[in-house]
Amino acid sequence: ETGVTQTPRHLVMGMTNKKSLKCEQHLGHNAMYWYKQSAKKPLELMFVYSLEERVENNSVPSRFSPECPNSSHLFLHLHTLQPEDSALYLCASSLGQGGNGYTFGSGTRLTVV
Amino acid sequence: AQSVTQLGSHVSVSEGALVLLRCNYSSSVPPYLFWYVQYPNQGLQLLLKYTTGATLVKGINGFEAEFKKSETSFHLTKPSAHMSDAAEYFCAGMDSNYQLIWGAGTKLIIKP
Repeated sequence: ETGVTQTPRHLVMGMTNKKSLKCEQHLGHNAMYWYKQSAKKPLELMFVYSLEERVENNSVPSRFSPECPNSSHLFLHLHTLQPEDSALYLCASSLGQGGNGYTFGSGTRLTVV
Repeated sequence: AQSVTQLGSHVSVSEGALVLLRCNYSSSVPPYLFWYVQYPNQGLQLLLKYTTGATLVKGINGFEAEFKKSETSFHLTKPSAHMSDAAEYFCAGMDSNYQLIWGAGTKLIIKP
């Protein structure tokens, strides 16, 4: 247990489904991140929230929609995904700018069929 | 462009042998450097970090790394590999906007 909890661990969804990924941390961190990890590709930063406000959106398609209701929770809402969106989605949190490193969750393995 | 380069997508060593995983960064990346480890079906775990001060940094599980500014390197070492060290290792540097620039990762394979 790293202190950052992601649910579900595994998710299979059809291209017309709507689902949400959840991330929770109680480390007192004030920044949270969504990353996408695909096979044979570098880690891709998707979204950054600092003090519950989105500060970064790395040109992510609109079929991914983040939500950060408070500093402890982060969601990633998914709709009309494509098979190429299948990947491991990692949530991370940090204190301040992250100079002491990020704490990652175990990830959600997403398969789009 | 700012970059972090890990040499070798796969490194194979015998159990008990020295582990050396190489990481070089572009000089424009400020000297906040990190190594993370990812075990199968897990997220990333911070191994060690360099921010300021001593250039030889000790981390968890017997790993250490040395920041060499003249070589723009931050190689990860462990004197004696253990089977449990088999994992993927990621080097990362923090840019001037405090965003992490990631290396592509190196899979460490331990031979019995």
